[in-house]
Amino acid sequence: GENVEQHPSTLSVQEGDSAVIKCTYSDSASNYFPWYKQELGKGPQLIIDIRSNVGEKKDQRIAVTLNKTAKHFSLHITETQPEDSAVYFCAASPNSGSARQLTFGSGTQLTVLP
Amino acid sequence: GAGVSQTPSNKVTEKGKYVELRCDPISGHTALYWYRQSLGQGPEFLIYFQGTGAADDSGLPNDRFFAVRPEGSVSTLKIQRTERGDSAVYLCASSPNPGRDRALTEAFFGQGTRLTVV
Repeated sequence: GENVEQHPSTLSVQEGDSAVIKCTYSDSASNYFPWYKQELGKGPQLIIDIRSNVGEKKDQRIAVTLNKTAKHFSLHITETQPEDSAVYFCAASPNSGSARQLTFGSGTQLTVLP
Repeated sequence: GAGVSQTPSNKVTEKGKYVELRCDPISGHTALYWYRQSLGQGPEFLIYFQGTGAADDSGLPNDRFFAVRPEGSVSTLKIQRTERGDSAVYLCASSPNPGRDRALTEAFFGQGTRLTVV
């Protein structure tokens, strides 16, 4: 089955700096790669996703890149703000946009220092 | 509008007991998913419903776990003979479209039910 590894497990940045979180996956059948933000006591919230036919996608301060050959994808947050502090999860699925059978990484605790 | 609602928010039960966890999806969402999240880990897929039927139950860990969605809306996750290893946050999510037409399909998660087996 799919295995998703995520690094780093914790990340502290100064407000205004950029944050980068990286994930690798093992199953070449995976074609959908969402990123979720989870705040304490809440469920994960989708923040951005990318499909395997696209190399990069951007939404305001958030961008995701995908390298299918190397089987890795990354989340980039620019101009970080204290409210960006949360746990971020990457995930991979072979089900083309569905939340079915998502395999999640182990999470990155992002802390943005004011 | 209301999001995905899960009840109870917390459940403590004794080892060996039976528990039911409820999920009220967003109205009109046809797809419903159950995930389990252990402390410090990412969620793990359990089961997926499309309408009333369990379209994919490949993530259920064993036959003590069962889920139903009899009217295609509310779903109940049932765990028999609970074990301490079942302790986790059980997350439910719903989405309006199962990705049939390859369109973007956002799944909305509830806040979860924290199950503790003592």
